[in-house]
Amino acid sequence: EVQLVESGGGLVQPGGSLRLSCAASGFTFSTYWMSWVRQAPGKGLEWVANIKGDGGEEYYVDSVKGRFTISRDNAKNSLYLQMNSLRVDDTAVYYCVSSPFWGQGTLVTVSS
Amino acid sequence: DSQLTQSPSTLSASIGDRVTITCRASQSISSWLAWYQQKPGKGPKLLIYEASNLESGVPSRFSGSGSGTEFTLTISSLQPDDFATYYCHQYNSYFGGGTKVEIK
Repeated sequence: EVQLVESGGGLVQPGGSLRLSCAASGFTFSTYWMSWVRQAPGKGLEWVANIKGDGGEEYYVDSVKGRFTISRDNAKNSLYLQMNSLRVDDTAVYYCVSSPFWGQGTLVTVSS
Repeated sequence: DSQLTQSPSTLSASIGDRVTITCRASQSISSWLAWYQQKPGKGPKLLIYEASNLESGVPSRFSGSGSGTEFTLTISSLQPDDFATYYCHQYNSYFGGGTKVEIK
């Protein structure tokens, strides 16, 4: 059974940083693209970033380019999202996704 | 990269109606598309994977079709539990804008 478990969310001030983690199990992690998806309060789903199985390619939505970095450690079956220069509009539930499977999400709140 | 255009954005329907939601990709994505249902305050629920495969436990009134750039989600007979927002999703990439199914 595929399991994706996020951690690392919380409250952070504007301009601050946060690192999200996702522990994956139940599949051969290193062979699959992984992504982060978010949903702001009352808004739709938004793809944030993705990364190839071997880590050799990564892509970002324009609004986070230069601020967020996606990475993975295939030895630990883990996915990460380093979020810097956080803004109020980054407030959202962040989900770890290995399509079509999702984690339960972790809430990131950016507020002073 | 392909982006998804979902229509309609809102749909008003009655119990028992046949409902169809469309998702168009800007370039071919083969069958790498999923459909999700979301209700207020809840996470997305997988309905259809790889464009046409029904997720285990999902009622058979839901079906998906299409490949390449044109995809549809059909609910054959709308039930009270189906009033929700539906999203198409290119695997590990963009989402459609969502379709809110409301009671007529």
